[in-house]
Amino acid sequence: ETGVTQSPTHLIKTRGQQVTLRCSSQSGHNTVSWYQQALGQGPQFIFQYYREEENGRGNFPPRFSGLQFPNYSSELNVNALELDDSALYLCASSFQVNNEQFFGPGTRLTVL
Amino acid sequence: SQKIEQNSEALNIQEGKTATLTCNYTNYSPAYLQWYRQDPGRGPVFLLLIRENEKEKRKERLKVTFDTTLKQSLFHITASQPADSATYLCALDIRTGNQFYFGTGTSLTVIP
Repeated sequence: ETGVTQSPTHLIKTRGQQVTLRCSSQSGHNTVSWYQQALGQGPQFIFQYYREEENGRGNFPPRFSGLQFPNYSSELNVNALELDDSALYLCASSFQVNNEQFFGPGTRLTVL
Repeated sequence: SQKIEQNSEALNIQEGKTATLTCNYTNYSPAYLQWYRQDPGRGPVFLLLIRENEKEKRKERLKVTFDTTLKQSLFHITASQPADSATYLCALDIRTGNQFYFGTGTSLTVIP
């Protein structure tokens, strides 16, 4: 059984640029959620996808968008990057919406 | 506004003692409450899930209680070990809008 993987591990961007982060869900999982975690804070829910449809969204602006593909892999896109977007971005997959979540190792994004 | 509070201070306990972590929330009616462990530089790892109609859940040395009247969950680690040292996060699964909220976490250190 393959766990949740994320790419890239680290990323450095400049303010105003766009970024795409990728996540491969655990085998058999049809739900993926994305989180932003600032240093010393708990993960903040960005959104969740279930069977390729956005299923729930946290308090993040529309420049945060996502996709889930038929193989249940997923992307997080962030446009017009701001300095405050610097954080660890975590992807988590689960089987069905309300089950335990399996997290990937995260992508560390730095915006300069 | 929505708020989830965990132990405000880091928790240090002696090996073999029971660690008790608290999670208090306001303005939510969670269907589920989950506890995760997070080690530095890694994604959270699922530990236990408790439903709104359950009072208590156990798994090996772990015990979780859930009081929806007090809006509080307690997480206990009995016979603690240095390997239990980590940050522990509680997370609420809100049915309305399919949202998922994490607390800020409690850093636990078990002293040999």
